[in-house]
Amino acid sequence: GQQVMQIPQYQHVQEGEDFTTYCNSSTTLSNIQWYKQRPGGHPVFLIQLVKSGEVKKQKRLTFQFGEAKKNSSLHITATQTTDVGTYFCAGVGTNAGKSTFGDGTTLTVKP
Amino acid sequence: DTGVSQNPRHKITKRGQNVTFRCDPISEHNRLYWYRQTLGQGPEFLTYFQNEAQLEKSRLLSDRFSAERPKGSFSTLEIQRTEQGDSAMYLCASSWGTVETQYFGPGTRLLVL
Repeated sequence: GQQVMQIPQYQHVQEGEDFTTYCNSSTTLSNIQWYKQRPGGHPVFLIQLVKSGEVKKQKRLTFQFGEAKKNSSLHITATQTTDVGTYFCAGVGTNAGKSTFGDGTTLTVKP
Repeated sequence: DTGVSQNPRHKITKRGQNVTFRCDPISEHNRLYWYRQTLGQGPEFLTYFQNEAQLEKSRLLSDRFSAERPKGSFSTLEIQRTEQGDSAMYLCASSWGTVETQYFGPGTRLLVL
């Protein structure tokens, strides 16, 4: 079955440093979404990428979808303490239907 | 608040008991998903509905788990003969059409003693 892997599992940064998390799927995806989960909270949708090579930006966050539609990345520029949480990618296979979530990257930011 | 709601928010039960959780999706959403999440893991897909039809069920889901969405609105997830390994956060999410953007509810945290 489809597998989605994320690295790193944890990332500790100093406030102001950049952060990147990578997501890799074992199969080609129709689209990929990114979610953020704060400690004690539930996943909150950030963005969806659909096109091969797509790049989208949300303020300090930059999301990329690989050319082969099998990998994706999330980059945060100049992290802030409000960025703390776990970032998940979720891939939807080409047959649509369910999403497969990675195990997330947990970001901690030291002030 | 027109977001996804789940009840109860917390459930403590003894091993062997049955439990039922409810999810009320965003009203215009026709897709509803159930996930299970344990500490340090991503949400694990359990099943999903489009309107009242259950379209897919995880192979990981034993026969003790059943879900319904009788009128295409709210859904229930029942776990029969609970086991300690069922302890987890059970998340519900909804979406519109084939756009897979999912809106999650706050979850029901289950503890099986």
